Amino acid sequence: GDSVTQMEGPVTLSEEAFLTINCTYTATGYPSLFWYVQYPGEGLQLLLKATKADDKGSNKGFEATYRKETTSFHLEKGSVQVSDSAVYFCALNAGGTSYGKLTFGQGTILTVHP
Amino acid sequence: DAGITQSPRHKVTETGTPVTLRCHQTENHRYMYWYRQDPGHGLRLIHYSYGVKDTDKGEVSDGYSVSRSKTEDFLLTLESATSSQTSVYFCAISLFMKGQEYEQYFGPGTRLTVT
Repeated sequence: GDSVTQMEGPVTLSEEAFLTINCTYTATGYPSLFWYVQYPGEGLQLLLKATKADDKGSNKGFEATYRKETTSFHLEKGSVQVSDSAVYFCALNAGGTSYGKLTFGQGTILTVHP
Repeated sequence: DAGITQSPRHKVTETGTPVTLRCHQTENHRYMYWYRQDPGHGLRLIHYSYGVKDTDKGEVSDGYSVSRSKTEDFLLTLESATSSQTSVYFCAISLFMKGQEYEQYFGPGTRLTVT
């Protein structure tokens, strides 16, 4: 079945550091890929997405590129802020008759210190 | 904002008691979902609905049932709560986008503790 694997956390960075959170997936067909962010005490918010190979999703300074050859969708940000401290989830939708269901990775906790 | 509310937001209940969580949406979305969130597991799908009275199981459906008698409400019931069902429960809806992909939007969550 479909699966998503994220790098183990937690990740702790200083403000203005470069961020990478790795995400790899296993899926049949051509999935859509997503990153969601969860701030403390809140629900998940869609951060960015990519729907086909070589697409780059971007939002709020975060970027991720859909790499079909390596089945990856790594999240990057050039300069993190304290306000980026949150839990980040990689997810995929298999498309087709999947009724929009998402398969999530286990989440990566990011803490950014001043 | 996809207009999703969940009730209650917090609940403490005893083992063996029935519990019903409610998800309400205001924008007539067809697809709705219930997930649970546990440390180390991310979010796991419990049940989903693709229309009124049309529901199906997700990967962790044992011990849970759902009902959808009208478009705006999707109910999750724990028939006899157990401590392993202590979790945070999220409801979500899907929007079908122009690029032929789905985007999911989530409610604020319900924190359930079973003692």
